[in-house]
Amino acid sequence: DTEVTQTPKHLVMGMTNKKSLKCEQHMGHRAMYWYKQKAKKPPELMFVYSYEKLSINESVPSRFSPECPNSSLLNLHLHALQPEDSALYLCASSRQGQGYGNTIYFGEGSWLTVV
Amino acid sequence: SQQGEEDPQALSIQEGENATMNCSYKTSINNLQWYRQNSGRGLVHLILIRSNEREKHSGRLRVTLDTSKKSSSLLITASRAADTASYFCATYPNFGNEKLTFGTGTRLTIIP
Repeated sequence: DTEVTQTPKHLVMGMTNKKSLKCEQHMGHRAMYWYKQKAKKPPELMFVYSYEKLSINESVPSRFSPECPNSSLLNLHLHALQPEDSALYLCASSRQGQGYGNTIYFGEGSWLTVV
Repeated sequence: SQQGEEDPQALSIQEGENATMNCSYKTSINNLQWYRQNSGRGLVHLILIRSNEREKHSGRLRVTLDTSKKSSSLLITASRAADTASYFCATYPNFGNEKLTFGTGTRLTIIP
C-alpha cells in the first residue's frame, strides 16, 4: 500500500469547470511531484516542489496550477482543460529535496476525464 | 523528454520462466532505478543502483548496470502471474537540474 494518498481516484469534468486534485503524504518527505501519464506511456514530470517551493515547472500550460500549502499536502488546480488533458495524474514524494537522486514514492493516481 | 529506451516493448513468458528487460540511456547518471506499474495503478519502486555499482539483487530481482554502454538490465527469476505489469527504468542525470526521467517501459505478461 502506498503512503501517498490521492483524491479523488476518478474525476470527470467539463471544459469550463474548475476542479482540484489533492495529494497527501505523512512520511516527512521534503519533495513532492506531479506527473501526467497517458495510456501506454511513461509518466511525464509536470511540477516539483522542494522544501515547499516550486523548483521545477516543465513548461506546463497555465490551466494547470500547482499549490503546496504545507510539506504534507500538494494540490493541482484544474481550469479550462481540454479533452487531450485526460490522463492519469500521479502525485509522488521523496525524502530529500529534489535533486538528491532519491527514490520516489507514488500515489495510486487520479484518473481525469475531460468532456 | 525521455532519457531511457527499453527493450523489448512487450514480453510474454510462461510462469516460472525468467524475464529480462533492458534499458538504455543517453547521459551520465547518478543512479538508475526500476519501477513496476500494475495496470491503471501507481508506480512502485523496485530497486536503485548507483553509478558506481555493477550489480544489485533484491529477492527475485537482479539488476545490472554498465555505465560504459549506458545500459541496464532487470532480471526477474521464477516469474509469477503477479509479476504481470509494466516495468520502467528511470535515471537521475549526473549534472545540473536533476530530475528522475522515465524510460519507455516494458509490458510484461506472465502466462499461468
